[in-house]
Parts: sequence; structure tokens; C-alpha cells
Amino acid sequence: KAGVTQTPRYLIKTRGQQVTLSCSPISGHRSVSWYQQTPGQGLQFLFEYFSETQRNKGNFPGRFSGRQFSNSRSEMNVSTLELGDSALYLCASSQGGQGEKLFFGSGTQLSVL
Amino acid sequence: DQQVKQNSPSLSVQEGRISILNCDYTNSMFDYFLWYKKYPAEGPTFLISISSIKDKNEDGRFTVFLNKSAKHLSLHIVPSQPGDSAVYFCAASLKTSYDKVIFGPGTSLSVIP
Repeated sequence: KAGVTQTPRYLIKTRGQQVTLSCSPISGHRSVSWYQQTPGQGLQFLFEYFSETQRNKGNFPGRFSGRQFSNSRSEMNVSTLELGDSALYLCASSQGGQGEKLFFGSGTQLSVL
Repeated sequence: DQQVKQNSPSLSVQEGRISILNCDYTNSMFDYFLWYKKYPAEGPTFLISISSIKDKNEDGRFTVFLNKSAKHLSLHIVPSQPGDSAVYFCAASLKTSYDKVIFGPGTSLSVIP
């Protein structure tokens, strides 16, 4: 089975721009979660989608949004980029039940200049 | 407010000895705990988990201990190997959520040959 695929791998943007990140989960997985990783902060939960519905949301501003398509692929969008948005964005997929282990992609490294 | 804490940012251990990574949590509603390992430029990978109804779970060289009264868990690696050098994240999931998994900030383990 192919793993979780995130594109692009690296991205450089300037302040004020917007960005869209893509995630293809493992085949058969219906849940996709997004995390932001910054040094010293660990992985901060952004949101989780299951069957095209957002089930959980973290404490991030409304500039961060996401969606999930009928084939379980997910996109994350960040509008009006700020310098502090520079981070590694990780996507994880699972079957969707509680306690199930998450399978992570390699992430998208976003740099905001 | 960090609900999952890993107070040691780094740890160095001699090859063959025991590595003990600690994690504390504040939310008594957490009922499932997981450990993930992350190598540079890769996404985290699942290592081991434990349900709150247990106090110990073992998988090969890895054992997780849970002390619910102290809201503390630890990961023991015996014997430690150089390939274990990575960042280890403690994570917890809530009873009322599905895949909203909260991660700690991580502990960087170095196993010295």
C-alpha cells in the first residue's frame, strides 16, 4: 500500500500570500488530520476530517482552513500568510476510530519570507 | 496551555543501556496514549500505545508504563541502539473525540555507540 503523500515537499511564500497544501491518505483511510510542527512546540493539531466533514478543530485562527474530498484526499489552505506560519505541516491518515494509530506523510516545509 | 508535556527536550544514553522518556498530561479525560518516533525529514511513525485501562504495554524492546493517578507515562527502551536516535513524541486522545490526538513537544534521544 502506498503511504500518505503530501505535496509539495517545500514551499516558499511571502507575507500576505496564500498557500494550499495537498494530502493523499492511505487507500481505504477515511480520516485525515493536519498538524503544524515548529521547534519547541511539537505537533499542534489543526483539524481532522472524516468523510468530508470536519470533526475536530484545534486552536488556530480562521486563516487556516481545510477540506476533504469524496476520495478522502484533503487540502489545507492558509490565507494572508504571516512570518510565524513558517513550519512543517504534517498530514496523517487513519481508519477514523478512536485510538487508531495515525500514519503520517513526510510533510510540507513552508517558509514565509 | 499544553495538555501533554515532555519536560526533557533531549536525552543522551549509552548504547545497550536503558532509555527512559517521560510524559505528563493534565487532562484526566485522555483515555488513550501513544508514542511516535520521528527521524529528520520524515513524518512521525507510530511506536507503541496504551489504553487507560492498562498500566503497562510491551512490544519487543519498547515498554510503556501508565500511572493514571500521577497523570504520567513513560517509555522504556531496552537495550538502546544507535538507530533509536530520533525525536520521540508522546500523544494522547480524548474520550469524546476521534482522531483529535494531542502531541507533546517531543524529546530528542541520542544513543551513543
